[in-house]
Amino acid sequence: NAGVMQNPRHLVRRRGQEARLRCSPMKGHSHVYWYRQLPEEGLKFMVYLQKENIIDESGMPKERFSAEFPKEGPSILRIQQVVRGDSAAYFCASSLRLRGGDTEAFFGQGTRLTVV
Amino acid sequence: GESVGLHLPTLSVQEGDNSIINCAYSNSASDYFIWYKQESGKGPQFIIDIRSNMDKRQGQRVTVLLNKTVKHLSLQIAATQPGDSAVYFCAEMADSNYQLIWGAGTKLIIKP
Repeated sequence: NAGVMQNPRHLVRRRGQEARLRCSPMKGHSHVYWYRQLPEEGLKFMVYLQKENIIDESGMPKERFSAEFPKEGPSILRIQQVVRGDSAAYFCASSLRLRGGDTEAFFGQGTRLTVV
Repeated sequence: GESVGLHLPTLSVQEGDNSIINCAYSNSASDYFIWYKQESGKGPQFIIDIRSNMDKRQGQRVTVLLNKTVKHLSLQIAATQPGDSAVYFCAEMADSNYQLIWGAGTKLIIKP
């Protein structure tokens, strides 16, 4: 049973380009979370998705950022017109259930985005 | 402008000694707490969790203590090993929410 898979591991984009980050949750997990981490800081919640639904995007910037988790395929975090301040590590986590047991979230290895 | 990263608190421990990493949480409504370990270049890894109806929970070589009165959480690692070197984060969650709120992290350094 593979863990949470994120790709690419490293992504370099020029200012103004688009960045697409992919996350395949663990098999059977229907809850996906995206987090952003700056160097030497903790993780900051961005968005929580279930299949085909955005449940909570309160941590997402209002512009340029979007996320989806389609019925088939990985979850995608999309950043349009990237700026240098978007450079960070983006982590995806998945869990089996929301609450009430078996809520442990498993994290991927992250995608390190560098905007030049 | 760009945000400035904060320097992580650092704990240096002699190999073989016990480590105690502390965390103060912010929300008195939080009822679920997790400790994560993050090694350099890797994603966070679950260590141990505890619910608010408990004040202590033990795992393999690790113990989590919860003091709800002062909103304090600690992680004790017994017989610290070189492989324990990492940044340790505490995270809290309130029952009415599902967002994990993360602490700033503590860097654990093992001295040979």
